[in-house]
Amino acid sequence: DTEVTQTPKHLVMGMTNKKSLKCEQHMGHRAMYWYKQKAKKPPELMFVYSYEKLSINESVPSRFSPECPNSSLLNLHLHALQPEDSALYLCASSHLGQGRSTNEKLFFGSGTQLSVL
Amino acid sequence: AQRVTQPEKLLSVFKGAPVELKCNYSYSGSPELFWYVQYSRQRLQLLLRHISRESIKGFTADLNKGETSFHLKKPFAQEEDSAMYYCALRRAGNMLTFGGGTRLMVKP
Repeated sequence: DTEVTQTPKHLVMGMTNKKSLKCEQHMGHRAMYWYKQKAKKPPELMFVYSYEKLSINESVPSRFSPECPNSSLLNLHLHALQPEDSALYLCASSHLGQGRSTNEKLFFGSGTQLSVL
Repeated sequence: AQRVTQPEKLLSVFKGAPVELKCNYSYSGSPELFWYVQYSRQRLQLLLRHISRESIKGFTADLNKGETSFHLKKPFAQEEDSAMYYCALRRAGNMLTFGGGTRLMVKP
């Protein structure tokens, strides 16, 4: 299995809703990532998990709350989002190499298209 | 600060013509660069990385530190090469900074 699976594929939510995005991989990768991609823009990093621990938070608002329950799963909990948070949310995973220069390939999921009304 | 610039949002060529997608970067350390591609209705995927010095689907990219460039080239474009191409710079922790992307359209 060389895929990163994201569910749901599409999500519409109101500003008062609480929802979660899910990501799963079974490649034995110990690094997992959340990226946000607005229309016609490149992906922007949100969070990085290494060995199930949050290692990077790119100054993301607290209405986005990541969770890594185990080495195969990554969630993104959403609460009180704004319409400007509407975007494609991409999950990715990679091996964690040794040393600073690893050139590890990222495997991306197909994303969750989120619309906040 | 690290930055990746892809000056062309759209590049349109005819089938069989040479293709060059430009990428320039700024980074204070030793750069590690990648090209990712997104075909229509498919997920973002790695095309090639500079350290491997490989040719994938006929594409090559050479890191030019003097010009701080990592342009993607293919001598003869095919219709199936039509896609969105992102140049990316790796920061510590395997984080990627993406360029703005170039949409390549190969016309028959």
